[in-house]
Amino acid sequence: SAVISQKPSRDICQRGTSLTIQCQVDSQVTMMFWYRQQPGQSLTLIATANQGSEATYESGFVIDKFPISRPNLTFSTLTVSNLSPEDSSIYLCSGGDSTGELFFGEGSRLTVL
Amino acid sequence: DAKTTQPPSMDCAEGRAANLPCNHSTISGNEYVYWYRQIHSQGPQYIIHGLKNNETNEMASLIITEDRKSSTLILPHATLRDTAVYYCIVRVANTNAGKSTFGDGTTLTVKP
Repeated sequence: SAVISQKPSRDICQRGTSLTIQCQVDSQVTMMFWYRQQPGQSLTLIATANQGSEATYESGFVIDKFPISRPNLTFSTLTVSNLSPEDSSIYLCSGGDSTGELFFGEGSRLTVL
Repeated sequence: DAKTTQPPSMDCAEGRAANLPCNHSTISGNEYVYWYRQIHSQGPQYIIHGLKNNETNEMASLIITEDRKSSTLILPHATLRDTAVYYCIVRVANTNAGKSTFGDGTTLTVKP
């Protein structure tokens, strides 16, 4: 299975600031995705990170709030901007390989005060 | 992706088989059934997937009905470490799509 590494694993931020989460995947991965998991909830797809171009966002998520970069095949960042307490969640990076299989990182737990 | 329906919670005695059902009545012919689980505070972990034949691996067995409208994940000898939220997902495989729609899953509690 693919190895997905995320950092930070957790952070506490003040409202109005931003947090950038990094995700490193191994070479098996061709597709990269970002999910959000709010407390006690299931996973919700934020966007597909596209290499060298703008991410593809799902309904309800916008680039100004969740800018995503993917400068190369194995690295992506998600920034959560202008933080509010409602952004307190676990943010998960995932990678898909050429067969469509999906692997997940351990997540980044964000608490906004 | 087709929608799935799972019971919100189930209990199982340690050492017994855990049978987790999933309904996916709107599944398309090219959609596979995938199972993942999420142990508390960890990322989701792949368990097994199948198209129409029953599948078995070192973790679990997957039984898919002939009409493909439902399936059952079987953990043959549940342990306390199998306590987790189990997600059933249907999606196209063998493409670079890969993104998945997660429902609410089933919280399985394995009891001593």
